[in-house]
Amino acid sequence: NAGVTQTPKFQVLKTGQSMTLQCAQDMNHNSMYWYRQDPGMGLRLIYYSASEGTTDKGEVPNGYNVSRLNKREFSLRLESAAPSQTSVYFCASTWQKNTGELFFGEGSRLTVL
Amino acid sequence: GQQVMQIPQYQHVQEGEDFTTYCNSSTTLSNIQWYKQRPGGHPVFLIQLVKSGEVKKQKRLTFQFGEAKKNSSLHITATQTTDVGTYFCAGQYNFNKFYFGSGTKLNVKP
Repeated sequence: NAGVTQTPKFQVLKTGQSMTLQCAQDMNHNSMYWYRQDPGMGLRLIYYSASEGTTDKGEVPNGYNVSRLNKREFSLRLESAAPSQTSVYFCASTWQKNTGELFFGEGSRLTVL
Repeated sequence: GQQVMQIPQYQHVQEGEDFTTYCNSSTTLSNIQWYKQRPGGHPVFLIQLVKSGEVKKQKRLTFQFGEAKKNSSLHITATQTTDVGTYFCAGQYNFNKFYFGSGTKLNVKP
């Protein structure tokens, strides 16, 4: 039982390049989330998907797009990476948005030069 | 906007001392959760508090939710080196998105 799987774990990009972070969960969860973590700022919500077929903006959505491909997968895309997007990205899922316990992936460390 | 404030940012204690971290919101929360993140790891769920005035214990950890559902605390009694990590609260408003506090980084000296 893998839980929440994120790929890649590490990535270095040049300014202006694009990339997609992949996330998949095998717990049959309805809700999925993308957070970024920066030193001293906790986890900030980028986008979330309350259920398959829906996505909503979080606190810091600018510069990102998401796709809820199916119930299992939720991807995060950076169309034109900027140094300000250097961060650790976490994908998380929960059964339903109001029933608690977020399960996190191991994180993807992204550096934009 | 909705925001959860967490203090202190850092805490250094001697092993055996107690530790407390606090979270505050300017508006009423529907519930609050606590997570622990070990260095280099990902956040791991500890507990969820839903009811006004709720107190829950997990061994040496005591979690409280304020009467007004605007504040919460995590208290660790007699810290151990295994308690090292960053502790986050995450509040929900109207059972919607989770808003995380900035975290309290705990260092325990043996």
